[in-house]
Amino acid sequence: SAVISQKPSRDICQRGTSLTIQCQVDSQVTMMFWYRQQPGQSLTLIATANQGSEATYESGFVIDKFPISRPNLTFSTLTVSNMSPEDSSIYLCIVSGRQETGELFFGEGSRLTVL
Amino acid sequence: AQSVTQLDSQVPVFEEAPVELRCNYSSSVSVYLFWYVQYPNQGLQLLLKYLSGSTLVESINGFEAEFNKSQTSFHLRKPSVHISDTAEYFCAVSEKSSGDKLTFGTGTRLAVRP
Repeated sequence: SAVISQKPSRDICQRGTSLTIQCQVDSQVTMMFWYRQQPGQSLTLIATANQGSEATYESGFVIDKFPISRPNLTFSTLTVSNMSPEDSSIYLCIVSGRQETGELFFGEGSRLTVL
Repeated sequence: AQSVTQLDSQVPVFEEAPVELRCNYSSSVSVYLFWYVQYPNQGLQLLLKYLSGSTLVESINGFEAEFNKSQTSFHLRKPSVHISDTAEYFCAVSEKSSGDKLTFGTGTRLAVRP
């Protein structure tokens, strides 16, 4: 199993500012994903964080708005840039184990409110 | 690419009645299937999963789901629900070839009434 620490757990931000969310795993994992859950909605994949290279973004998400880093196999960051109230969401880090077995582990999420 | 359809956005049911939450998926390759539950103001919790083997999987709190490959379905069932089962339920799929990338359904709100 993998234990994920996600920070901050929640924050209130001003419009136009940026916030970086950290995801730290207690073991090396192959895949790290960033998801967003807007109020009352399901989870939407933002991007796959690739170790040592640029993240792979899903349709509708761009690097300028959601820059992602993954310097090693246990850590990743997601930045929400130039925030607007529409960015108010829960941002979730999800990881898979060393082998692609379908075993997935969830961070506790970061609840962002943009005023 | 995979997709997940949860046809019912809300399912109202009386306590101790049976319930079925429907989930259908679309994929051209082998998949893993999951049900997650989200209680009010909480994060997602894994309820049960199908990875391989027996097509009927069970959770510790009485839910079960059956993988039906021919119908591309993974419906969630419980023979007798409790008030405490009131929550949002998400079905999710990942393709074995996509590196465990999860696609979620839109969710079904289960509302159990006394």
